[in-house]
Amino acid sequence: DGGITQSPKYLFRKEGQNVTLSCEQNLNHDAMYWYRQDPGQGLRLIYYSQIVNDFQKGDIAEGYSVSREKKESFPLTVTSAQQNPTAFYLCASSIAVTGELFFGEGSRLTVL
Amino acid sequence: GESVGLHLPTLSVQEGDNSIINCAYSNSASDYFIWYKQESGKGPQFIIDIRSNMDKRQGQRVTVLLNKTVKHLSLQIAATQPGDSAVYFCAENHANAGKSTFGDGTTLTVKP
Repeated sequence: DGGITQSPKYLFRKEGQNVTLSCEQNLNHDAMYWYRQDPGQGLRLIYYSQIVNDFQKGDIAEGYSVSREKKESFPLTVTSAQQNPTAFYLCASSIAVTGELFFGEGSRLTVL
Repeated sequence: GESVGLHLPTLSVQEGDNSIINCAYSNSASDYFIWYKQESGKGPQFIIDIRSNMDKRQGQRVTVLLNKTVKHLSLQIAATQPGDSAVYFCAENHANAGKSTFGDGTTLTVKP
């Protein structure tokens, strides 16, 4: 089945550690996105990529990094510079920049 | 003047009643709008979309209305069912943006 796979579903991190969240899609979509969701709030854009080897900062990129070496993959690294990383992270893809988004099931990161 | 529905963070309806969820968008250049449904602990899922050259679009039990004059979007759910209980988000997009911007969600609770 085609879709977006995020892993891990749950992740615990100690302060000062970097962690990488995986996002893989087999939908052959060009565009991929990372959103952050805090409890009771909407989705805020972290980074997005419209083509391989290119990506742009979203509204809250500080403390995060991404790469887009393959069309299928768009991993997100939460660095130690991110002051409040505990959140629900959602990866999405779309066939075009103005198309509907297909979301993964999310990764819940907790900083201990 | 024309009355525009207010965005409410929560909405509670009786099973079988119709639901109306409102959303105000910010960018007059936006030309594509999408409603998503997010169940607890999961990623959002596409419900229905509408382009700016339309003011109404119907799906199965759902209707989206677009008022570009006042930058307002609404989602109507007919004969609301318990399975409709979720958080609903609107999103706006335009070709030059390359990304979607999400509104504040509305939590819909359906009472049996």
